[in-house]
Amino acid sequence: DAGVIQSPRHEVTEMGQEVTLRCKPISGHNSLFWYRQTMMRGLELLIYFNNNVPIDDSGMPEDRFSAKMPNASFSTLKIQPSEPRDSAVYFCASSSVWADTQYFGPGTRLTVL
Amino acid sequence: AQTVTQSQPEMSVQEAETVTLSCTYDTSESDYYLFWYKQPPSRQMILVIRQEAYKQQNATENRFSVNFQKAAKSFSLKISDSQLGDAAMYFCAYNNNNDMRFGAGTRLTVKP
Repeated sequence: DAGVIQSPRHEVTEMGQEVTLRCKPISGHNSLFWYRQTMMRGLELLIYFNNNVPIDDSGMPEDRFSAKMPNASFSTLKIQPSEPRDSAVYFCASSSVWADTQYFGPGTRLTVL
Repeated sequence: AQTVTQSQPEMSVQEAETVTLSCTYDTSESDYYLFWYKQPPSRQMILVIRQEAYKQQNATENRFSVNFQKAAKSFSLKISDSQLGDAAMYFCAYNNNNDMRFGAGTRLTVKP
């Protein structure tokens, strides 16, 4: 069975550029989560969707960050404009049962120069 | 706010021996889930074990088991017969109503 798929695996961009990260959840899972992992702050929940609807975006750091889930099999996290402090590993996870186990994708390592 | 504390930034174990990683959490809720995730150098977050708070019986998965003490809000992970492939960062996590919180992690080294 395919797990959570994320692309790209690595992204290097320059400050001010737009960055789009992509995620395909496990088929049949109805909750999708975006996390950011840094050395300083650890793993932080940015936003999550249930049945394609954003439920909690209180972890989104600022207006430069936005996330969409146009259908059950695809989500994007966009940063515009990007800044060096956005450099981190971004994970997508999905879940089939409310508040239960989350299955993580391989992550996208973002470097903003 | 719920917080998860892993008091051991680093741990070391000899191959084939047993090691216990500590985790405590703070919550006023009675129904929640607890997890241990493993993150090897590949950075993939891998589920190790899961515990439902309303179940008193400790979860086990092969060489991995937990000691869940609900009143003490403690959730430790025991790894038996440690293998070189167990070397990784281990994260304790608490989930209530999809508000998942992670501890800072414990780096486990396995010595041959």
